Amino acid sequence: DVKVTQSSRYLVKRTGEKVFLECVQDMDHENMFWYRQDPGLGLRLIYFSYDVKMKEKGDIPEGYSVSREKKERFSLILESASTNQTSMYLCASRGLLDEKLFFGSGTQLSVL
Amino acid sequence: AQKITQTQPGMFVQEKEAVTLDCTYDTSDPSYGLFWYKQPSSGEMIFLIYQGSYDQQNATEGRYSLNFQKARKSANLVISASQLGDSAMYFCAMREAHQGGKLIFGQGTELSVKP
Repeated sequence: DVKVTQSSRYLVKRTGEKVFLECVQDMDHENMFWYRQDPGLGLRLIYFSYDVKMKEKGDIPEGYSVSREKKERFSLILESASTNQTSMYLCASRGLLDEKLFFGSGTQLSVL
Repeated sequence: AQKITQTQPGMFVQEKEAVTLDCTYDTSDPSYGLFWYKQPSSGEMIFLIYQGSYDQQNATEGRYSLNFQKARKSANLVISASQLGDSAMYFCAMREAHQGGKLIFGQGTELSVKP
């Protein structure tokens, strides 16, 4: 079974802190994605990556950056966390022959 | 413009009855795929069913079926014989061929199954 692992299930940070959310997949998938989920808004795409060292902005990239130095790992970075970045963050991956995305279990981030 | 619209924020259904969750989409791409995911309170996203735009028949997976009406741009999820474990958030999503692998999600519908 495909496994997408997000390093933390719950995270509490202070305003202004630099925050790293890590995601690792074990199926050699080319594509990886970061979404945030907010009530009433569904899932919105922050950034995605088609391959190592490649990244593309999604619909809401402001305040975020990403890093993909290795194929299996896709990191989301909040350079200076703000309270409006309090949200559930979901990582996903997809192989080129797959239709669906495989999701991690999510990280609930609270910025105080 | 909203690409995926789920107009039912919350729904109730009696156990063992069927329920339809609505989803409409908007695209000019002739090649696209439609997905439904389930998210229980645990937070994991569980893939339920997929329909390609060129598929002639409606997709089915066990108790789940996708009522695909291309001309109306709707992709409703039908759950037959509801079970208590079906209580969850349900998300409709679309992938357009020219947009690569990314999925666009709707706002979600929270389904509650009553005993």
